[in-house]
Amino acid sequence: SQQGEEDPQALSIQEGENATMNCSYKTSINNLQWYRQNSGRGLVHLILIRSNEREKHSGRLRVTLDTSKKSSSLLITASRAADTASYFCATPSSITQGGSEKLVFGKGTKLTVNP
Amino acid sequence: EAGVAQSPRYKIIEKRQSVAFWCNPISGHATLYWYQQILGQGPKLLIQFQNNGVVDDSQLPKDRFSAERLKGVDSTLKIQPAKLEDSAVYLCASSLALAGGERAYEQYFGPGTRLTVT
Repeated sequence: SQQGEEDPQALSIQEGENATMNCSYKTSINNLQWYRQNSGRGLVHLILIRSNEREKHSGRLRVTLDTSKKSSSLLITASRAADTASYFCATPSSITQGGSEKLVFGKGTKLTVNP
Repeated sequence: EAGVAQSPRYKIIEKRQSVAFWCNPISGHATLYWYQQILGQGPKLLIQFQNNGVVDDSQLPKDRFSAERLKGVDSTLKIQPAKLEDSAVYLCASSLALAGGERAYEQYFGPGTRLTVT
């Protein structure tokens, strides 16, 4: 089945620096989502990018999608200690017209932001 | 709005025992999901409900796992009998699942139940 794979597996940076993590997937998709998981707030949806979009912003987050390379990247600018978490990309296992989707998650990138 | 509620938060059982987890999704969310997350991995979908019908249970080990969603609201996931490899966090999520619009695809997760099988 299709699966997103994040890279790197772990990333350690200093507060204020930018963090970039990548996701590759295998088959055609109509959207890709990024989620964050930390011990305090559990798994939380960050952003969704559709297949006809190349870039999307939300606050300090920037997501890109390259459907020709089947890859996406998540950039967190001006990182904070509170950004310390695991970040997962999630892709639908089949293309749907709407309604619910079966999501497949990657193994995640563990980001540590040092104060 | 209230989030997805799950209980218990932690459970320790011995292998071959039974265990049940409960989930209350966000009000109005038609779709409910149960995921298993093993340490160091991403969540893996076990079963997906649309209202009270099963949409996908292809990765549910049906010889030991069962799930139901009564009246299209709350759901329970049961393991009987448990094995050591069932030690994981069990996450419940829900989504609006309306045709069209990005909010249909966004899943809201509960805090999870951490299961330890000894």
